[in-house]
Amino acid sequence: TQLLEQSPQFLSIQEGENLTVYCNSSSVFSSLQWYRQEPGEGPVLLVTVVTGGEVKKLKRLTFQFGDARKDSSLHITAAQPGDTGLYLCAGAGNQFYFGTGTSLTVIP
Amino acid sequence: SQTIHQWPATLVQPVGSPLSLECTVEGTSNPNLYWYRQAAGRGLQLLFYSIGIDQISSEVPQNLSASRPQDRQFILSSKKLLLSDSGFYLCAWSEYLGGYTFGSGTRLTVV
Repeated sequence: TQLLEQSPQFLSIQEGENLTVYCNSSSVFSSLQWYRQEPGEGPVLLVTVVTGGEVKKLKRLTFQFGDARKDSSLHITAAQPGDTGLYLCAGAGNQFYFGTGTSLTVIP
Repeated sequence: SQTIHQWPATLVQPVGSPLSLECTVEGTSNPNLYWYRQAAGRGLQLLFYSIGIDQISSEVPQNLSASRPQDRQFILSSKKLLLSDSGFYLCAWSEYLGGYTFGSGTRLTVV
């Protein structure tokens, strides 16, 4: 089993603050994805990173894939209440392995 | 465009009763299909995946089963539900190692 650990598990911040979520593994992945899930809904794909060291930006969200393709981070600048949700990373091996999840609450 | 439908959205079933959750995909052919279970606010546990009709792999031993009677239909079943089967069930499809598109989920409560 290729385990993906996310940290922190829970995060509660004020609107306007910055935050970083981490996704770490001892395994190498051919690609890694980040999803956001709202309560009672299925996860929605945010981004896929493929190349070691790759950085992708999606408005206020910045995703980075580690050089060794074992880890990734998600940085949110100036968080807004609409960013609230469960963030999941998923690494591609012979199937996709989902991380343990980070529950983010942005307080207005 | 591709869409995925999953129903019902919520279900309350007594212990020992049968279960049938259905998932259908539109707008694609021969998709990879998946059933996941999610504990509250946590990561996803893969239950079954299918790369084609009658090609289903089980990841976790349990009293659940899956079937794929048609290319774009994936069904999760149980003959007798246990209390521990309660959870949030998600169906998803993908192209090979492409991103997942998830259904809206089924909240199952076994009482």
